[in-house]
Amino acid sequence: AQSVSQHNHHVILSEAASLELGCNYSYGGTVNLFWYVQYPGQHLQLLLKYFSGDPLVKGIKGFEAEFIKSKFSFNLRKPSVQWSDTAEYFCAVNSQNTGNQFYFGTGTSLTVIP
Amino acid sequence: GAVVSQHPSRVICKSGTSVKIECRSLDFQATTMFWYRQFPKQSLMLMATSNEGSKATYEQGVEKDKFLINHASLTLSTLTVTSAHPEDSSFYICSARSGVVEAFFGQGTRLTVV
Repeated sequence: AQSVSQHNHHVILSEAASLELGCNYSYGGTVNLFWYVQYPGQHLQLLLKYFSGDPLVKGIKGFEAEFIKSKFSFNLRKPSVQWSDTAEYFCAVNSQNTGNQFYFGTGTSLTVIP
Repeated sequence: GAVVSQHPSRVICKSGTSVKIECRSLDFQATTMFWYRQFPKQSLMLMATSNEGSKATYEQGVEKDKFLINHASLTLSTLTVTSAHPEDSSFYICSARSGVVEAFFGQGTRLTVV
């Protein structure tokens, strides 16, 4: 079945620790990949996106993600997290095979301890 | 960036009544709008996709007669929850897209049915 999987449901880190959140998808064909963040009480905001080209994409707030086509993965990374990064992170996929709709992973709750 | 506005942000209604939620793209024309439902601590579940001037396409398991979607103009889509019941209580989020892959999200509507 087509799906978007986020393996880490809840991550707790201390400030300055490095972060990597996993995202795998199973949609075929050409895909567009996104990471969204939802801060407590706020709406979804786009962190970064991959459409084509350089598989290493840089987003806002020091986040980056790497698209590895052979692994169907799009993991999110940040070298040094801050307390303000505490939020829910969602990976999303959009492809022609899905009628260009967005499908989301189950989300990862990140808690950064000061 | 593009702005998508949802109204109301919070609504409480009695069981058996209907509730209408509006989603507006404020500074761009949205050819496609998506409606999602988000349960606590869970991801966004796509409910339906609507294209301006045509009938919405509902995801499997979503009752089209219960969740009426109208996309009458390029800047407005509405979701009406008909004969609401407590199990319909949830967080409803819309997103809008204009001919490009990226979508922008509204701030969401918290519906509570009592």
